[in-house]
Amino acid sequence: GQQVMQIPQYQHVQEGEDFTTYCNSSTTLSNIQWYKQRPGGHPVFLIQLVKSGEVKKQKRLTFQFGEAKKNSSLHITATQTTDVGTYFCAVAYSGAGSYQLTFGKGTKLSVIP
Amino acid sequence: DSGVTQTPKHLITATGQRVTLRCSPRSGDLSVYWYQQSLDQGLQFLIQYYNGEERAKGNILERFSAQQFPDLHSELNLSSLELGDSALYFCASSPRIAAYSYEQYFGPGTRLTVT
Repeated sequence: GQQVMQIPQYQHVQEGEDFTTYCNSSTTLSNIQWYKQRPGGHPVFLIQLVKSGEVKKQKRLTFQFGEAKKNSSLHITATQTTDVGTYFCAVAYSGAGSYQLTFGKGTKLSVIP
Repeated sequence: DSGVTQTPKHLITATGQRVTLRCSPRSGDLSVYWYQQSLDQGLQFLIQYYNGEERAKGNILERFSAQQFPDLHSELNLSSLELGDSALYFCASSPRIAAYSYEQYFGPGTRLTVT
């Protein structure tokens, strides 16, 4: 499967500040998914990006897929305490009737009220 | 609630023992995936089943095995347990396999502690 590097590993922000996590690959990605895992919870799907240069928004969250499809970012505007959790990017690899996701290590976001 | 159920929620066992984790996918989902999440390794894909057949293998140890039954529920068997097997084990499901990706729905996980 394809490997992805996710940075930063940890991020502490003051409530109201912006937050960005990045996902990078050395190879071209067919698509990328983003998941959020709250403390003590399970990963929850946020979005999928498939097109070069794609930008999608969900309220205060903005997701981007790079023009070369080798990187992606998740940006949160004006963080709230409800944004606390670990954000993972994941790359899908499929072939010969199989399908698997390779997850980045995640960025753990702490929001200081 | 994702619609994926996993039992048990917590499991404490001793080294050398064998355990079985159970997963019921969302209604109608044919694909089941197992993941291991530990602090140092992150979320690692173990194995995928589609409609009863094994379709993909990831970083799954030989001591671990899985199966998917005709009613589509799946079990992950972990044997000869070691301290390092202590982790959260997640099951996820998705509607079917396709050439492009589908989102996966994760269950609440089983926390395994090996003492």
